[in-house]
Amino acid sequence: ETGVTQSPTHLIKTRGQQVTLRCSSQSGHNTVSWYQQALGQGPQFIFQYYREEENGRGNFPPRFSGLQFPNYSSELNVNALELDDSALYLCASSLEEYGYTFGSGTRLTVV
Amino acid sequence: AQSVAQPEDQVNVAEGNPLTVKCTYSVSGNPYLFWYVQYPNRGLQFLLKYITGDNLVKGSYGFEAEFNKSQTSFHLKKPSALVSDSALYFCAVRVLDRGSTLGRLYFGRGTQLTVWP
Repeated sequence: ETGVTQSPTHLIKTRGQQVTLRCSSQSGHNTVSWYQQALGQGPQFIFQYYREEENGRGNFPPRFSGLQFPNYSSELNVNALELDDSALYLCASSLEEYGYTFGSGTRLTVV
Repeated sequence: AQSVAQPEDQVNVAEGNPLTVKCTYSVSGNPYLFWYVQYPNRGLQFLLKYITGDNLVKGSYGFEAEFNKSQTSFHLKKPSALVSDSALYFCAVRVLDRGSTLGRLYFGRGTQLTVWP
């Protein structure tokens, strides 16, 4: 049984650019959620996907968007990058309502 | 509003001594509570969860946590700390989205645990 895999592990982008982060969920898990962890903070919920549809969104602007694919993998897209978007982005997959498996994260730096 | 508080940014303890990392929560309804650990430049590793039942929950690596409904607390404990336990610890509560059976996690700010040899 594989865990949650995220790619890339590190990324440097310029302000105003767009970025796509990817997540492969744990085998059998049909729900994927994304979290942003700024330096020195706890993770903040961005949004969640269940069966390819967005199901719940946190307090993030529309330039944060996502997709879930039929194999339950997921993408997080961020447009018009800002310096404050620099953070560790975590993906979590789950099957039951309350069991979450996290990936190792993508470290995004916006310069 | 839903929230999780970890009142201590840092906890320092000598190896072999018991450790406690504190967590209190505010949530409507019955809480689902979690503890995660994060090592440098890594994601979150699950330690334990409370859903229902016995208030004392045992988890990975010898950790346990006690759910106290009256004090709305879920403190993480370990009888004998190891140097390798040094890491960042997060308490989280699951909150259901309105009209949904799915939920989201609210995290505390984290507590840095340092165990001295």
